Amino acid sequence: KAGVTQTPRYLIKTRGQQVTLSCSPISGHRSVSWYQQTPGQGLQFLFEYFSETQRNKGNFPGRFSGRQFSNSRSEMNVSTLELGDSALYLCASSLGGTANTGELFFGEGSRLTVL
Amino acid sequence: GNSVTQMEGPVTLSEEAFLTINCTYTATGYPSLFWYVQYPGEGLQLLLKATKADDKGSNKGFEATYRKETTSFHLEKGSVQVSDSAVYFCAPDGSARQLTFGSGTQLTVLP
Repeated sequence: KAGVTQTPRYLIKTRGQQVTLSCSPISGHRSVSWYQQTPGQGLQFLFEYFSETQRNKGNFPGRFSGRQFSNSRSEMNVSTLELGDSALYLCASSLGGTANTGELFFGEGSRLTVL
Repeated sequence: GNSVTQMEGPVTLSEEAFLTINCTYTATGYPSLFWYVQYPGEGLQLLLKATKADDKGSNKGFEATYRKETTSFHLEKGSVQVSDSAVYFCAPDGSARQLTFGSGTQLTVLP
């Protein structure tokens, strides 16, 4: 069974630009969560989607947004990039719904550098 | 919301030494508890979990026991290997379907 796939793995942007990151969950998983990982703040929850609906959102500004498609694939977008947005963005999938065990399956992440 | 206090790193041990990484949490109710591990250059992966009080999670020689009285979930391994070098994260499962991760503990095992 293929794991969680994130693209791109690495990218470099400049301040003010926007970026879109993609995540393909494990087949059959309907929940996708996004986390930001930085040396200073550690792992912080961004948002979680289930069946194309955002169920939870972390404490991030509106520049951070996401969506989920009918095939459970998810994208997150960051607009008007700031230097502080440089981070590893991790996507995690899980079964979701009543079958959810609480275990998250993570991708390898997309490393964003903002110059 | 939930919060986690995890032992500060980095931790450096010699091979075959005993490992303990402390984790205490605050949470509403009795959440499931998880330890995740992140190897260099990789995403996180589940190491072990416990879903109710006094449960012991175990995997790859690692163990952790869900202690409701002390709200703790300390990670232990009797004999670490070089291949255990990684960052370890403690995380209670939130009622809002999100994990609150500890700050992570960097473990380096020397041969």
